[in-house]
Amino acid sequence: DVKVTQSSRYLVKRTGEKVFLECVQDMDHENMFWYRQDPGLGLRLIYFSYDVKMKEKGDIPEGYSVSREKKERFSLILESASTNQTSMYLCASSLAQVLAPGNHFEQYFGPGTRLTVT
Amino acid sequence: GQNIDQPTEMTATEGAIVQINCTYQTSGFNGLFWYQQHAGEAPTFLSYNVLDGLEEKGRFSSFLSRSKGYSYLLLKELQMKDSASYLCAVYYGNNRLAFGKGNQVVVIP
Repeated sequence: DVKVTQSSRYLVKRTGEKVFLECVQDMDHENMFWYRQDPGLGLRLIYFSYDVKMKEKGDIPEGYSVSREKKERFSLILESASTNQTSMYLCASSLAQVLAPGNHFEQYFGPGTRLTVT
Repeated sequence: GQNIDQPTEMTATEGAIVQINCTYQTSGFNGLFWYQQHAGEAPTFLSYNVLDGLEEKGRFSSFLSRSKGYSYLLLKELQMKDSASYLCAVYYGNNRLAFGKGNQVVVIP
């Protein structure tokens, strides 16, 4: 079974703090993703990585950065947390890069980190 | 931009069949995914369709029509544990999935 773990289920931080969210997967997946999920807005992609040290911006990268130094670990960094970054953060990983019948492109999600910025 | 539309909520009776619709308009299309998400939990993968037609997996089936930009998820023999949000997601290229806002299904006895 694929396992994606996230460092915290709940986190409370103050405005202006630097925040690190960690994600680890144990299935040797190439691709890793960070999303945020907000009521009425659904899941939105922040950043993703298709290889170690490689990253691409998603739809809402402003105010965030990422780091992938090892294949199994993908970190999301909030440089200076703000109240509008209060959200549920979900990490995901997937194996293949080419979608075709039989390929395992489905993304597997971690349990999520509910971040509150006060 | 990517546009994925799903109904917001529906209620169905235990043992019944429910159909959850999804329409999409995206800049590219390489496949459509369905995920289930229970309250407070992570989404879990249910099915995906790359080609037109019906894919069946036990009590769950998913249908795709690429020409119509339309998919549905069919849940048969509804159980109380099926109460959840069902997310439609389109893979539109370069590792990117666009998610709908989810359809909350409430199963009543």
